[in-house]
Amino acid sequence: SQQGEEDPQALSIQEGENATMNCSYKTSINNLQWYRQNSGRGLVHLILIRSNEREKHSGRLRVTLDTSKKSSSLLITASRAADTASYFCATDPLTGNTGKLIFGQGTTLQVKP
Amino acid sequence: GAVVSQHPSRVICKSGTSVKIECRSLDFQATTMFWYRQFPKQSLMLMATSNEGSKATYEQGVEKDKFLINHASLTLSTLTVTSAHPEDSSFYICSARSGTGMSNEKLFFGSGTQLSVL
Repeated sequence: SQQGEEDPQALSIQEGENATMNCSYKTSINNLQWYRQNSGRGLVHLILIRSNEREKHSGRLRVTLDTSKKSSSLLITASRAADTASYFCATDPLTGNTGKLIFGQGTTLQVKP
Repeated sequence: GAVVSQHPSRVICKSGTSVKIECRSLDFQATTMFWYRQFPKQSLMLMATSNEGSKATYEQGVEKDKFLINHASLTLSTLTVTSAHPEDSSFYICSARSGTGMSNEKLFFGSGTQLSVL
């Protein structure tokens, strides 16, 4: 399987704490994206980081990318109960030119009020 | 931002019936759409790539005669689950890419369809 791996699989924190999720992948990439999914809903694009970028911020989100280790992390600062959702990383592979994204297994985040 | 509308959001059907799911790009032209399947607490598994005006490309292990895909216009792709059985029960999600390039920088997702086959 070319799917990436995410850890932890599940994360439970208190409101106000920071949440860090990690993603590892196997192939060289054009970019890596993070998505959020509320239960029973579609995916919402959060942030995209290109292969030549190392860090990116968007509001309370901070994403890092280490292409040498083929890994990325998503940090959500000052978490809120509304951040409770599943988070997926997805990679756009460099080779193959298929236009397909490869999704990781996801991290289920629970933020307790 | 761009909107992808997916209908229905939930469908319950009897075994043996066919179910059609629609995926529409509302404010942009989608030359390519992707159909995913997701089991509870699992990741998205790509089923097929739908290209406007041509045949869909199916992933290995996905039965093309079982999951019929039609992408007849730049704003609509449909997935028909033919002769549905309980094992087809799943959450189906579509995504659409704007523009004509191969980059996935602009992928937008529908809200998903929960299919339950009795």
